[in-house]
Amino acid sequence: DIQMTQSPFSLSASVGDRVTITCRASQSVTNYLNWYQQKPGKAPTLLIYAASSLHSGVPSRFSGSGSGTDFTLTISSLQPEDFATYYCQQSYSSRFTFGPGTKVEIK
Amino acid sequence: QVQLVQSGAEVKKPGSSVRVSCKASGGTFSSYAVSWVRQAPGQGLEWMGGIIPIFGTTNYAQMFQGRVTITADESTSTVYMELSSLRSEDTAVYYCARLNEPYVFDIWGQGTLVTVSS
Repeated sequence: DIQMTQSPFSLSASVGDRVTITCRASQSVTNYLNWYQQKPGKAPTLLIYAASSLHSGVPSRFSGSGSGTDFTLTISSLQPEDFATYYCQQSYSSRFTFGPGTKVEIK
Repeated sequence: QVQLVQSGAEVKKPGSSVRVSCKASGGTFSSYAVSWVRQAPGQGLEWMGGIIPIFGTTNYAQMFQGRVTITADESTSTVYMELSSLRSEDTAVYYCARLNEPYVFDIWGQGTLVTVSS
């Protein structure tokens, strides 16, 4: 199975900060890389698909980049509603795998 | 817009089985695949397996192979996930999710808490 890692494990940031989260795959997943946001007690929601495409209704402050094995999720100006855990997920292999998550907390 | 509605919370004994359902409300699964993803308390997301209801073809994660069975009833637009030989480590919230192009989970169920305890 393709292993996914994320860094950092958690981060503290202030409203208005630029935040970057990194995701790495154990082998190339080309651009089959998606990002999800999860708030406590809720199901995950899709943010970014195919590495850099914004899902419908997702604010433009979210962006994704990368290909192959290295990817980033960027929040250009952190808003109060963005404090959550973020997961990357590869869909290159039919045995899907998620990263361990990055928790974004209020500084 | 289709919603995925899951069955309610379950409490099970170790060694028993649990079956969780996921019904498409406001539509059908059509030709989409449906996956199951679980999340243990305080932990991350773990893909368990999936099914394409219209074909009945399944695909399971290696770590659950032999213990999980995913089935579908097209007549009721419902997908089921059965997990057997339950142990305490299977205590988790279980989610169903629709797989849309290009292989993204775009719609999720509300989650079902399964507690395994003696």
